[in-house]
Amino acid sequence: AQSVSQHNHHVILSEAASLELGCNYSYGGTVNLFWYVQYPGQHLQLLLKYFSGDPLVKGIKGFEAEFIKSKFSFNLRKPSVQWSDTAEYFCAVTLSSGGSYIPTFGRGTSLIVHP
Amino acid sequence: NAGVTQTPKFQVLKTGQSMTLQCAQDMNHEYMSWYRQDPGMGLRLIHYSVGAGITDQGEVPNGYNVSRSTTEDFPLRLLSAAPSQTSVYFCATRQYNSPLHFGNGTRLTVT
Repeated sequence: AQSVSQHNHHVILSEAASLELGCNYSYGGTVNLFWYVQYPGQHLQLLLKYFSGDPLVKGIKGFEAEFIKSKFSFNLRKPSVQWSDTAEYFCAVTLSSGGSYIPTFGRGTSLIVHP
Repeated sequence: NAGVTQTPKFQVLKTGQSMTLQCAQDMNHEYMSWYRQDPGMGLRLIHYSVGAGITDQGEVPNGYNVSRSTTEDFPLRLLSAAPSQTSVYFCATRQYNSPLHFGNGTRLTVT
């Protein structure tokens, strides 16, 4: 069964610091990758996704992620965080073909940005 | 266009009571699912459905039932509530392999 690991459970940064959140998955086949964000008291919403093509994916609010197939990784980055980026971040993976495309989620990373 | 609508937003139950969490979507998505979110545990899949009349178990199905009589609705039933079911519940839908669309969640407390 596929699994997703998010190595950082809690991250605390000051505004303007750079951010990188790790995400590794275990499945060796072709996958689709997602990052979701959950702001305090809200539901999850899509931050960015990778299906194919350029492994550097740009998302909303200045976030980006790089798919490195050889490392089974899909790390999320932002050059300069803002207080409003305080949220929980979830990495998710689905198979890119076959099956019912059930997503597997990581356990999430809680990011707190101090002003 | 409402997207995914969950009701109620908050609910308090006593142990042993039953209730149904409602999920409705107006996007004609085939795939619907229920997750529970607990601190440090991330999102755990309870049940899912790939179309009307088809349901299947996820990672943590015990104590929950679902049905999918229409494309639009996917209710989650707690048969006999337990304190361990205190959680935030999210309904999420998707078409094929596109990203999930989440409802606003139901915060359930079982005393």
